[in-house]
Amino acid sequence: GIQVEQSPPDLILQEGANSTLRCNFSDSVNNLQWFHQNPWGQLINLFYIPSGTKQNGRLSATTVATERYSLLYISSSQTTDSGVYFCAVNPFRDDKIIFGKGTRLHILP
Amino acid sequence: GAVVSQHPSRVICKSGTSVKIECRSLDFQATTMFWYRQFPKQSLMLMATSNEGSKATYEQGVEKDKFLINHASLTLSTLTVTSAHPEDSSFYICSPRKAMNTEAFFGQGTRLTVV
Repeated sequence: GIQVEQSPPDLILQEGANSTLRCNFSDSVNNLQWFHQNPWGQLINLFYIPSGTKQNGRLSATTVATERYSLLYISSSQTTDSGVYFCAVNPFRDDKIIFGKGTRLHILP
Repeated sequence: GAVVSQHPSRVICKSGTSVKIECRSLDFQATTMFWYRQFPKQSLMLMATSNEGSKATYEQGVEKDKFLINHASLTLSTLTVTSAHPEDSSFYICSPRKAMNTEAFFGQGTRLTVV
């Protein structure tokens, strides 16, 4: 089946710093999403981005489907950005959503 | 976005008992329901997929007799953990889907602790 790899696995940054999280996938996909899992476990939808670039406030994402990767940018990090960020893909001809292992982000005050 | 309600959010049960988790799509009809399990500091792993009115399809390694899934309507699905054991303690999350290849939304999750 499709493999979804996220990097880095862990990231510790000072408040105000910028970060780039990467998601590589091994096969073509219908769509790709980025989620933030908060401390209570709730998955918060960040981006639905099968291709192209989207921005929402301090967050933006870019997916290059032909090269099978996506990037999530977080600018001017805040402590509330801490948590786990997941990339999840929907392979072609399959409606399942497959998750990467996540990037655990810790923003220090 | 879509509104998904999952409850209970937390449940503690004794070994050998059964626990039912409900997942509702409040503002859309879900043709397909996905159930995931997440162990501490790990990713979400798909357990099973169900279509309304049909039997669920389970992923490899998931016991269908232990994790009973009912998808009786387009807005409600239930996951019953039967004869629970401590190793079933985990975070269970549902994801109802409007249609294929659409954005996925998730319930708030249920933290199950079996003592």
